Amino acid sequence: DQQVKQNSPSLSVQEGRISILNCDYTNSMFDYFLWYKKYPAEGPTFLISISSIKDKNEDGRFTVFLNKSAKHLSLHIVPSQPGDSAVYFCAASGGVLTGNQFYFGTGTSLTVIP
Amino acid sequence: TAGITQAPTSQILAAGRSMTLRCTQDMRHNAMYWYRQDLGLGLRLIHYSNTAGTTGKGEVPDGYSVSRANTDDFPLTLASAVPSQTSVYFCASSLFQNTGELFFGEGSRLTVL
Repeated sequence: DQQVKQNSPSLSVQEGRISILNCDYTNSMFDYFLWYKKYPAEGPTFLISISSIKDKNEDGRFTVFLNKSAKHLSLHIVPSQPGDSAVYFCAASGGVLTGNQFYFGTGTSLTVIP
Repeated sequence: TAGITQAPTSQILAAGRSMTLRCTQDMRHNAMYWYRQDLGLGLRLIHYSNTAGTTGKGEVPDGYSVSRANTDDFPLTLASAVPSQTSVYFCASSLFQNTGELFFGEGSRLTVL
């Protein structure tokens, strides 16, 4: 059963506008969340992370929001650029409590239209 | 810096044959992982190793085996490949188990016919 879910397989956004990618999780033991970006024929690369003690983490154009009560996190990209077109994966971990594993979502393919 | 190196980049394999996917890292990371990526299923953990000499099973370990004889190398072996093992395989590492970010290789595309 998928413990981390990304319900939108794809998203298209105009250049300069905001991109919002969503992620839901079911396991309340998760306390560390990450976003990865993946270009075709390349491995995923780390983008940004957030610990459950925070509800927001910002790094340049990228901000991750965490709503623990709703078991929901989102990645905001502002302003979106064509180079942001990629597949984005969210991942979650609960350390020992969740078997020392990172659990990944199914990914959202973002297309930023010039 | 090379980071994570995977080989081969792609391979076509007949069902029933064995295959080893190689993974080497030069970052002296303690933990290493093997994931498979399948459409609609995202990245699923096959096996992991928290430190040299230890391994553990992930979400989808059946049909795969790993070894971690030293810090740098973490090969993934398919003893008798089946078509359902057609996938893109990613090796990854992290400084310590389950902390910080994962660094991924560029992937190995395996097709089992």
